[in-house]
Amino acid sequence: EPEVTQTPSHQVTQMGQEVILRCVPISNHLYFYWYRQILGQKVEFLVSFYNNEISEKSEIFDDQFSVERPDGSNFTLKIRSTKLEDSAMYFCASSVGGKASTDTQYFGPGTRLTVL
Amino acid sequence: TQLLEQSPQFLSIQEGENLTVYCNSSSVFSSLQWYRQEPGEGPVLLVTVVTGGEVKKLKRLTFQFGDARKDSSLHITAAQPGDTGLYLCAGVGNDYKLSFGAGTTVTVRA
Repeated sequence: EPEVTQTPSHQVTQMGQEVILRCVPISNHLYFYWYRQILGQKVEFLVSFYNNEISEKSEIFDDQFSVERPDGSNFTLKIRSTKLEDSAMYFCASSVGGKASTDTQYFGPGTRLTVL
Repeated sequence: TQLLEQSPQFLSIQEGENLTVYCNSSSVFSSLQWYRQEPGEGPVLLVTVVTGGEVKKLKRLTFQFGDARKDSSLHITAAQPGDTGLYLCAGVGNDYKLSFGAGTTVTVRA
C-alpha cells in the first residue's frame, strides 16, 4: 500500500542552524501538507501546498519557514534559523484532492526535530 | 482556528468494557474526522462524518456527529487490548483547515 515517507526520523540541531525535513508524498497525490506536534500538545497545521504554490498557511508558518517541491517526488520543509521552540514532531501529509472535509490526508511517520 | 476539546484526556479500562470519547467545540464544522495515532507514527484516519446526526460504524467502533455539527463521539464496544492508542478528533471549519483536538489516550488492560 502506498505511504508517505519522511526522512530523517530524528534530527538534532543547534539553535540558529538551518534544517531541511524531507517528505515523499504518495505518488498520485496533488496536495501536500506539513503539521507539527510539540510534545504533549495538539497536532497543528503549518502549511498546504498545491501546484507548486502555498495554498494555505497558519500563523506559525512565519518567514523562518519555507516549503519546496524540488523535483517530482520530494516535498521539503526548511527552517532557516532554528529556535528551541521549534523542537517538535513534524508530520508531512498528502491527499489526492484539496477539500479537507472529504479528501483523506495520509500522514507520514514524522520527523522528530530536537533543537539544542 | 476552531478549538476542539477532547475528553477524557486519559482512559484506562478492562478488556470487554465499553468506552466513549468525546470531542466538543463551540464552532460548527463542515466535517469531523477521527484518527488513531500509534507511538512513533503519524495519525491514521478512521472515519469522516459530514452530516449533522450522522452515525458511522467501523466494526466495534461507533462514531456520531452531533446534530449541530459542533461535537462528536467515539464509542468502542467490548474493547480489546488492540484498541489501545491515542485517538484524535479533527474538524474542518470555515478556514478549510484541519484543527486537531489534544487526543485521548486509551489503554485497554487484558
